[in-house]
Amino acid sequence: SQQGEEDPQALSIQEGENATMNCSYKTSINNLQWYRQNSGRGLVHLILIRSNEREKHSGRLRVTLDTSKKSSSLLITASRAADTASYFCATDYSGGYQKVTFGTGTKLQVIP
Amino acid sequence: DTEVTQTPKHLVMGMTNKKSLKCEQHMGHRAMYWYKQKAKKPPELMFVYSYEKLSINESVPSRFSPECPNSSLLNLHLHALQPEDSALYLCASSLRPAREGGELFFGEGSRLTVL
Repeated sequence: SQQGEEDPQALSIQEGENATMNCSYKTSINNLQWYRQNSGRGLVHLILIRSNEREKHSGRLRVTLDTSKKSSSLLITASRAADTASYFCATDYSGGYQKVTFGTGTKLQVIP
Repeated sequence: DTEVTQTPKHLVMGMTNKKSLKCEQHMGHRAMYWYKQKAKKPPELMFVYSYEKLSINESVPSRFSPECPNSSLLNLHLHALQPEDSALYLCASSLRPAREGGELFFGEGSRLTVL
């Protein structure tokens, strides 16, 4: 079963606007990661946040984590057409060792 | 070299065929993964190899048979597949285990069509 649910399923914004995606998960975790996938291609790692961190930044990306609510958000600021892709959160299960499961994903379209 | 290479990129096979998907990485990663992804769905974990030993099998049907001949190579042998097995098969590797924050490096995938 999927570890995470993402919201919204799809998001369409104008270039320059900010995009926010949310991820909720079910079990306790050690880390939460965000990945990006261009249509039909492999996934690319964007950012990792550990369970003892609340916020992390990387370039135009800002990730927050609320372990009490079992949720995370990814904010992409000043979006570009090239940001058009699907975005997935991924969690490890704190009771496991190697298992990484992906959320349902948000499909982002940035209109030039 | 920060690449995971998957071959073939596309594969069409009949239900009675035997074929294999291949994945290779030269980053010294000791964990390798197979994921299956259907259209408009997230990747689903199939198998995990850690130090060349199978550590996770997510109750995958036996018509899928993984193999890790060495630390750089991961195969997925396919036999007697069903049309519903048609999907994008993704290979990934990581330097550290997931619980230690191991980032997954993905290949571009092998798109499989079963007729």
